Amino acid sequence: AQSVSQHNHHVILSEAASLELGCNYSYGGTVNLFWYVQYPGQHLQLLLKYFSGDPLVKGIKGFEAEFIKSKFSFNLRKPSVQWSDTAEYFCAVLGGSQGNLIFGKGTKLSVKP
Amino acid sequence: ETGVTQTPRHLVMGMTNKKSLKCEQHLGHNAMYWYKQSAKKPLELMFVYSLEERVENNSVPSRFSPECPNSSHLFLHLHTLQPEDSALYLCASSRRDTADNEQFFGPGTRLTVL
Repeated sequence: AQSVSQHNHHVILSEAASLELGCNYSYGGTVNLFWYVQYPGQHLQLLLKYFSGDPLVKGIKGFEAEFIKSKFSFNLRKPSVQWSDTAEYFCAVLGGSQGNLIFGKGTKLSVKP
Repeated sequence: ETGVTQTPRHLVMGMTNKKSLKCEQHLGHNAMYWYKQSAKKPLELMFVYSLEERVENNSVPSRFSPECPNSSHLFLHLHTLQPEDSALYLCASSRRDTADNEQFFGPGTRLTVL
């Protein structure tokens, strides 16, 4: 069965630092990949998604992610984080037999002002 | 506002109570989902409904019972829950006939079982 691994449980950065959050999924073939963000007290929101085409995907709020098929990876990046990026970030793959998303455990990002 | 609403936002119940969670989507989607978000665990799919079918995850205990009266509404009926069922319950919806099946989430119901 498909699974998703997020290697970092909690990342702490200062403002203006660069961010990269790792995400790996378990097997290849056609994949639809997503990054969601959950700000404190708010609902899950889509940051970006990949389902075909250019493997470098740009999302909202300056985030981007690169799909590397050979590495089964879909890492999230942002060149300069802000305090407002403090949130929990979830990587997900569309892979369930019922058309559902399979999520990683999430990475909590804390940005110090 | 994502177009997916959930009520109540918070619920505290005893183990002998019966309660229901409600989800409504205003996006014209044809599939709806219940997920459970527990501390330190990945979001887990509980149930999926599409227009024609209900698909169950067999690992969900029978004390959770979904109901989907139409494509816009989804309920999760709760009965004789356990303290370990305390979690954030998220509803999502999507159009299953689109290329990427992007799912839109509601704000969740924070459930505490005493």
